[in-house]
Amino acid sequence: AAGVIQSPRHLIKEKRETATLKCYPIPRHDTVYWYQQGPGQDPQFLISFYEKMQSDKGSIPDRFSAQQFSDYHSELNMSSLELGDSALYFCASTIDNTEAFFGQGTRLTVV
Amino acid sequence: DAKTTQPNSMESNEEEPVHLPCNHSTISGTDYIHWYRQLPSQGPEYVIHGLTSNVNNRMASLAIAEDRKSSTLILHRATLRDAAVYYCILRDRNYGQNFVFGPGTRLSVLP
Repeated sequence: AAGVIQSPRHLIKEKRETATLKCYPIPRHDTVYWYQQGPGQDPQFLISFYEKMQSDKGSIPDRFSAQQFSDYHSELNMSSLELGDSALYFCASTIDNTEAFFGQGTRLTVV
Repeated sequence: DAKTTQPNSMESNEEEPVHLPCNHSTISGTDYIHWYRQLPSQGPEYVIHGLTSNVNNRMASLAIAEDRKSSTLILHRATLRDAAVYYCILRDRNYGQNFVFGPGTRLSVLP
């Protein structure tokens, strides 16, 4: 069965650069979530979309933005990267508000 | 958000049952109880969820107290692959509401 696909799996950026993370939810899933997980931390909610509209917002920095496109894939755009942005970024999708399926994550390293 | 309380860590022997408790005394009537687990370097994985009645699936069982203020995730026969951080999460029925990952229980399985 198709799972949530995230790309790239690994990304290395320098400080002050920009990064774009992509998420392809499971087909027909209507909600996408983004999470950030720092080293030794629990996943922290960033933002979610339901039917291409932002539905909830968590601790997402102003330097970050996200959107969901007509094909339901989502992108997390991160600008003016800081060392503290180094983390695992997970995307998840759900349908009909049931269980969430998470991708394998993108490991972002800012140097 | 309603909060949950779990032990920081637990240990089990391989092939023995494991009971992972979760307290959620402020749960509301529309909150579902979800359990997710996260294996090292992987995205969170859905385990089970329920509202009022006990639930069983191929991975685990969920026992919910009659007053719904606590629940227990039961792994019937722990394997080494069950070593993970287990998260108990309350989630309202509302669409788009995010999953709040609080401090979970780190389960160690001894051979």
